[in-house]
Amino acid sequence: DAGVTQSPTHLIKTRGQHVTLRCSPISGHKSVSWYQQVLGQGPQFIFQYYEKEERGRGNFPDRFSARQFPNYSSELNVNALLLGDSALYLCASSSGAGGALDTQYFGPGTRLTVL
Amino acid sequence: EDKVVQSPLSLVVHEGDTVTLNCSYEVTNFRSLLWYKQEKKAPTFLFMLTSSGIEKKSGRLSSILDKKELFSILNITATQTGDSAIYLCAVLGSNTGKLIFGQGTTLQVKP
Repeated sequence: DAGVTQSPTHLIKTRGQHVTLRCSPISGHKSVSWYQQVLGQGPQFIFQYYEKEERGRGNFPDRFSARQFPNYSSELNVNALLLGDSALYLCASSSGAGGALDTQYFGPGTRLTVL
Repeated sequence: EDKVVQSPLSLVVHEGDTVTLNCSYEVTNFRSLLWYKQEKKAPTFLFMLTSSGIEKKSGRLSSILDKKELFSILNITATQTGDSAIYLCAVLGSNTGKLIFGQGTTLQVKP
């Protein structure tokens, strides 16, 4: 079975540009969550989507947005990139909406570098 | 504010040693605690703990949760160089799928 897939693997952008990151969840999973991991820190929650509805939002500015498609894949968009947006962006999928027994499985991430 | 704290932040051991990694938390509406291993990019799932005092075990790895004292430990016995990684502890709190992560413990196992 394919795990969570993300594209692209690496991305280099300049300040002020925008970026779109993509994620395909494990087959049968309906929830996608996005995390940002800065070097040396644990991942920070950005968004959760379940059945195409936003279920949770972390402490990130409005430059960050996301959506989930009918096939449960998801896109994370970041506008007006800042140097501080350089990080590993991780996508996680789970079968449910975030219940206590709902394990999140992570993809390999997209490494974003902003110059 | 919800927080998860891991200790130590880094650890260097030799093959065959036993290590104990710690995770303490203060999270509203605790629902579960998860351990992940991160080698290059993708954190890979190790354990999910929801009940106090019940040890989860997988090979040389084991973990237990204490919901009264608000902590969990991850034990690795007979360490191997392949155990070298960052170990992340995360807590699921509110009624969304938001995982709150600790800073991670970087484990290096020397031959």
